[in-house]
Amino acid sequence: SQQGEEDPQALSIQEGENATMNCSYKTSINNLQWYRQNSGRGLVHLILIRSNEREKHSGRLRVTLDTSKKSSSLLITASRAADTASYFCATGPNFGNEKLTFGTGTRLTIIP
Amino acid sequence: NAGVMQNPRHLVRRRGQEARLRCSPMKGHSHVYWYRQLPEEGLKFMVYLQKENIIDESGMPKERFSAEFPKEGPSILRIQQVVRGDSAAYFCASSNRGQANYGYTFGSGTRLTVV
Repeated sequence: SQQGEEDPQALSIQEGENATMNCSYKTSINNLQWYRQNSGRGLVHLILIRSNEREKHSGRLRVTLDTSKKSSSLLITASRAADTASYFCATGPNFGNEKLTFGTGTRLTIIP
Repeated sequence: NAGVMQNPRHLVRRRGQEARLRCSPMKGHSHVYWYRQLPEEGLKFMVYLQKENIIDESGMPKERFSAEFPKEGPSILRIQQVVRGDSAAYFCASSNRGQANYGYTFGSGTRLTVV
């Protein structure tokens, strides 16, 4: 079964606007990660946030984690056309188990 | 420093044939993971291997699928007697113990089409 569920499933915004994607999960975690996938390509690791962290930044990316609500969000500020991609959250590695459990993804389209 | 290399990028097989997918991890990485992605879906874990050992195969179908990571050479995901439902993108990721906590490095995938 899916551990993570992202919403929205698809998001279209104008270039320069901010994009927010959300992820919910079901069980307790040690780590949560966000990945980007361009069409027809592999996954690129963006950010890993640990269960004892509430917020993390990397360039134009900001990730939050609320373990009480079992949810995370990914914010991309000042979006660019090159940000067009699918974004996935994944829980793991957790409690000695190194596999990742992915959500269904958000397809982000940036309109120039 | 090459990343995770997968080949072939695209593979077409007729129903009943065998498919062999290869994954060479990043240099120095000893842990390999295989994931499958169906169209419009997220990745699903299949198997986790270290050199010469299968650590976790909880996501592998019970029949027709096997994986290995020999002492020398790439990791191989083998699908025997392929069926249309095996059509998917298969991704390999690698890490080193402890480095998994910093994210995995994924290959570009092999897109398998069964006709």
